[in-house]
Amino acid sequence: DQQVKQNSPSLSVQEGRISILNCDYTNSMFDYFLWYKKYPAEGPTFLISISSIKDKNEDGRFTVFLNKSAKHLSLHIVPSQPGDSAVYFCAASSGGYQKVTFGTGTKLQVIP
Amino acid sequence: DVKVTQSSRYLVKRTGEKVFLECVQDMDHENMFWYRQDPGLGLRLIYFSYDVKMKEKGDIPEGYSVSREKKERFSLILESASTNQTSMYLCASRHSQDTQYFGPGTRLTVL
Repeated sequence: DQQVKQNSPSLSVQEGRISILNCDYTNSMFDYFLWYKKYPAEGPTFLISISSIKDKNEDGRFTVFLNKSAKHLSLHIVPSQPGDSAVYFCAASSGGYQKVTFGTGTKLQVIP
Repeated sequence: DVKVTQSSRYLVKRTGEKVFLECVQDMDHENMFWYRQDPGLGLRLIYFSYDVKMKEKGDIPEGYSVSREKKERFSLILESASTNQTSMYLCASRHSQDTQYFGPGTRLTVL
């Protein structure tokens, strides 16, 4: 049972445009959400997070939006750069000492 | 600087062998995790540990065991390796609900 879903396995965007990556979850107990970025042959690195008490969090070019009623979150990258090309994982957890559940990932390609 | 290290980047083993994957973190984190990454399946949690000598099964613990004798070290053990355990194995650590820090991964091939 996939509790965190990323329905788009891949996405291509022109450099300078907006990239929007989507994530859906089914477990209403999740209260903390994260996005990780992964380059080939490296471990994932943390990008941005959001608590369920917020609906938006921004960090430079990256913004995460949370819609709790729809159980949906999205990552916006503006403007997209070729160095953003990577696999992006959405993740969720409930409580400080609970496990973190990851989605299947979306491979983003930013075309120069 | 935060550091999570894994004992090998690449490993090739035979079916039936006992395999040890080691992970060490230098951040004094309580929580440590083992995941495997497979195409189309994302990162799936095998086991996690929230303190020394404590462990919890993740989503796919079958065929694996773990050991956490010291806070900084979390070992993943394949008791009898099988070809379906060929995968990328990723270790992570974190403090409480802080973000996870990942190691570089171990690409394991079981022949």
